[in-house]
Amino acid sequence: KAGVTQTPRYLIKTRGQQVTLSCSPISGHRSVSWYQQTPGQGLQFLFEYFSETQRNKGNFPGRFSGRQFSNSRSEMNVSTLELGDSALYLCASNPGVRGTEAFFGQGTRLTVV
Amino acid sequence: AQSVTQLGSHVSVSEGALVLLRCNYSSSVPPYLFWYVQYPNQGLQLLLKYTTGATLVKGINGFEAEFKKSETSFHLTKPSAHMSDAAEYFCAVSGGLGSSGSARQLTFGSGTQLTVLP
Repeated sequence: KAGVTQTPRYLIKTRGQQVTLSCSPISGHRSVSWYQQTPGQGLQFLFEYFSETQRNKGNFPGRFSGRQFSNSRSEMNVSTLELGDSALYLCASNPGVRGTEAFFGQGTRLTVV
Repeated sequence: AQSVTQLGSHVSVSEGALVLLRCNYSSSVPPYLFWYVQYPNQGLQLLLKYTTGATLVKGINGFEAEFKKSETSFHLTKPSAHMSDAAEYFCAVSGGLGSSGSARQLTFGSGTQLTVLP
C-alpha cells in the first residue's frame, strides 16, 4: 500500500508570492490534515478536510487555505508569502474512524526569501 | 482545550541504557494518545498509540508506554537504547471518546531530541 505522498519536497519562494502544496493520502483514507512545523512554534495544526469539506481549522491567518478533491487528494495554498512562513509542511492521512492514527508524508520544505 | 507537555527538550543516554521520555497531557476527558518519531528531514512515524483498553501499550522498535490517568501521563520507555534511536520524539493527543474535540486533530508536545552516546 502506497504511503502519503507530498509534492514537491522542497520549494523556494520570494516574499509576496503564493504557493500550492499537494498531498495524496493513502488509498481509502478520507481525512487529510495539514500541519506546519517550525523550530520556534513546533508542530501546529492548520486544517483538516474530510470528504471534501473543511472540518477543523487551526489558528492561522486567511492567507492559508486548502481544499480536497473527490479522490481525497488535498492541496494547501499560501498567498502573499512572508518570511515567517518558512517551515516544513506536513500532510497527515487518516481513515476517518475514531481512534485510528494519522499517517504522515515526508513533508514539503518551504523556504521564503 | 487539550495540551501536551514534554519534559526535557534534550535527553542523552548511553547505548544500552534505559530510555525514558516524559509526556503529560491536559484534557477534560481521557484523550487518545500517541508517540511519533521524526528523523532529520523526514515526516512523522507512529511508534505507538493508546485509545482504550490495556494501559501498557507496546510499539515498534522495542518502545512501550503506559497510560496513567491519575497522573495524566503517557511516558515512553525503551529498556536498552540503540544508536539508531537517535531522533526527535513527539507526544500527541486527540479527542478521546466522549470528547467534543476532534479525534483526528492532533495536538503535539514540543518534542524531545534523543541523543544516544556510544
